[in-house]
Amino acid sequence: DTAVSQTPKYLVTQMGNDKSIKCEQNLGHDTMYWYKQDSKKFLKIMFSYNNKELIINETVPNRFSPKSPDKAHLNLHINSLELGDSAVYFCASSQAAQGAYEQYFGPGTRLTVT
Amino acid sequence: LAKTTQPISMDSYEGQEVNITCSHNNIATNDYITWYQQFPSQGPRFIIQGYKTKVTNEVASLFIPADRKSSTLSLPRVSLSDTAVYYCLVGAGGATNKLIFGTGTLLAVQP
Repeated sequence: DTAVSQTPKYLVTQMGNDKSIKCEQNLGHDTMYWYKQDSKKFLKIMFSYNNKELIINETVPNRFSPKSPDKAHLNLHINSLELGDSAVYFCASSQAAQGAYEQYFGPGTRLTVT
Repeated sequence: LAKTTQPISMDSYEGQEVNITCSHNNIATNDYITWYQQFPSQGPRFIIQGYKTKVTNEVASLFIPADRKSSTLSLPRVSLSDTAVYYCLVGAGGATNKLIFGTGTLLAVQP
């Protein structure tokens, strides 16, 4: 059973388009995250939700909008895509928001904007 | 936020013990120290976590001195499959003390 799944795994699109990435976890966790990993492999947190409530919102362009319909899902919508948005996006979940709980990561979505 | 400093890369040979040290001079009282491993084209995977002294599990050991300003991840008898990037994280989590991934250490294990 896949603990944290993301779709799609690859996403190639043109500048200006709007796209979504979906994430689901079947671990019963309360907290979910979105991370962005750029070409230099630096992994940066973007958003975090705890029990469907936004608790972390880093300095991310407002073109990025997370949506959590329930505790098991955290989707990422990106409007007006730009070249700089090209990266690998990872979804993760943890039992709670505190650092004592390990995070489980999905396989990643490689977004390429042309 | 507690900042971490790790070597950018390390080389080793199969069968050796590898120790990766992470510096976190401004660690806070309620911060945990966590290590993750990331293989190419995969998400990071939890390895080990500790608060103080020594923690050991089936894959690694984590040594934390009394002042907690550094920590050392120890991988016994590495194999080629241990080639990966290893991240040290320090934090208590949550909105006010986010867990921050640093640049990580690329461990290259050679035959």
